[in-house]
Amino acid sequence: AQSVAQPEDQVNVAEGNPLTVKCTYSVSGNPYLFWYVQYPNRGLQFLLKYITGDNLVKGSYGFEAEFNKSQTSFHLKKPSALVSDSALYFCAVRDIIGGSYIPTFGRGTSLIVHP
Amino acid sequence: DVKVTQSSRYLVKRTGEKVFLECVQDMDHENMFWYRQDPGLGLRLIYFSYDVKMKEKGDIPEGYSVSREKKERFSLILESASTNQTSMYLCASSEGVAVNEQFFGPGTRLTVL
Repeated sequence: AQSVAQPEDQVNVAEGNPLTVKCTYSVSGNPYLFWYVQYPNRGLQFLLKYITGDNLVKGSYGFEAEFNKSQTSFHLKKPSALVSDSALYFCAVRDIIGGSYIPTFGRGTSLIVHP
Repeated sequence: DVKVTQSSRYLVKRTGEKVFLECVQDMDHENMFWYRQDPGLGLRLIYFSYDVKMKEKGDIPEGYSVSREKKERFSLILESASTNQTSMYLCASSEGVAVNEQFFGPGTRLTVL
């Protein structure tokens, strides 16, 4: 079984400051990890993923995420936040159950960047 | 540019009506998914399909059914809509293997009165 947790419902950060959105996971094997962003009244957009290799993954819009196997975490980061980064962020993990591919999403974290 | 489209952005139905939500993808993806999104609950998987005419139940299939007659189209059916099915419905698609990301449609906000 797999699960993913986003421990913060909301993260507030000032524009220009670094931001971190936290994600922890649990899988039986090796994880495939994803981050998505959802702007108001829109569907989710893919940001980045970790499959294997370098623990630091770079994605769209200047975001990056660090895979930490010992802490089972995959936190999303950005060095300098923009007001336009304000959105809902979802972490997801994928596993294989009975030959199918069923992703599990976290509950989402609302990021608010203040001018 | 890849695209997942959903038939309606907003829909208002009455209790007991049969509701069809349509989703079309133009990427020749094998997998298609239907989620509902509710505040504080995140995304919950209703059904998914890994091939034409193939479907599997997700976490909350009760009250829903699906149809996939063509590879590009995945329909969600509410046989008899109820007020507790008022929600945002998101369709997604992905290529066959687990490492690939999903592409989401814009969502349908359904209100059942």
